[in-house]
Amino acid sequence: DTAVSQTPKYLVTQMGNDKSIKCEQNLGHDTMYWYKQDSKKFLKIMFSYNNKELIINETVPNRFSPKSPDKAHLNLHINSLELGDSAVYFCASSPGENHHGYTFGSGTRLTVV
Amino acid sequence: QKEVEQNSGPLSVPEGAIASLNCTYSDRGSQSFFWYRQYSGKSPELIMSIYSNGDKEDGRFTAQLNKASQYVSLLIRDSQPSDSATYLCAVNAATGANSKLTFGKGITLSVRP
Repeated sequence: DTAVSQTPKYLVTQMGNDKSIKCEQNLGHDTMYWYKQDSKKFLKIMFSYNNKELIINETVPNRFSPKSPDKAHLNLHINSLELGDSAVYFCASSPGENHHGYTFGSGTRLTVV
Repeated sequence: QKEVEQNSGPLSVPEGAIASLNCTYSDRGSQSFFWYRQYSGKSPELIMSIYSNGDKEDGRFTAQLNKASQYVSLLIRDSQPSDSATYLCAVNAATGANSKLTFGKGITLSVRP
């Protein structure tokens, strides 16, 4: 059973398109996150949700809109895709307390052409 | 800006040697510290966590934390070619629902057979 699952694994799309990435966790965690990993492997937080409520929004362009229909799901919709959006996007979850690491999904490699 | 710095790599060690990975952080309020391993094309995987000053050992891995010096390290004893990966240091300064892992840029370890 996959703990944190993301779909799709790969996404190739043209500039200007709109796309969505879905994430689901079956760990019963309260908090979910979106991280972006650039070509140099730097992992940077984008958003966090705790029990469907947006907690962290790290100065991400408005073209990115997360949605959490319930605490097990966190989706990411991206409008008007740009070349610079090409990266690997990781979903993660945690119990929400400080002394726990995060469990990451397998990632979505987004390529904008 | 809360930062996590890792010593520049890549790091290459012969099989059987000790690999030493270092990390410093800027936020004195940081409370929990993690090491993740990421194989190429895969998601980050939690390998060690440490919360108190001193050493924590788990098999061939030892994490060391010195809060006064704002320094955390990972030692890998008897390095194996399968340890070849990128190692990410992560620090959590916030608590509860505001929990946010800040990552360093990672260091790539190569273990030569």
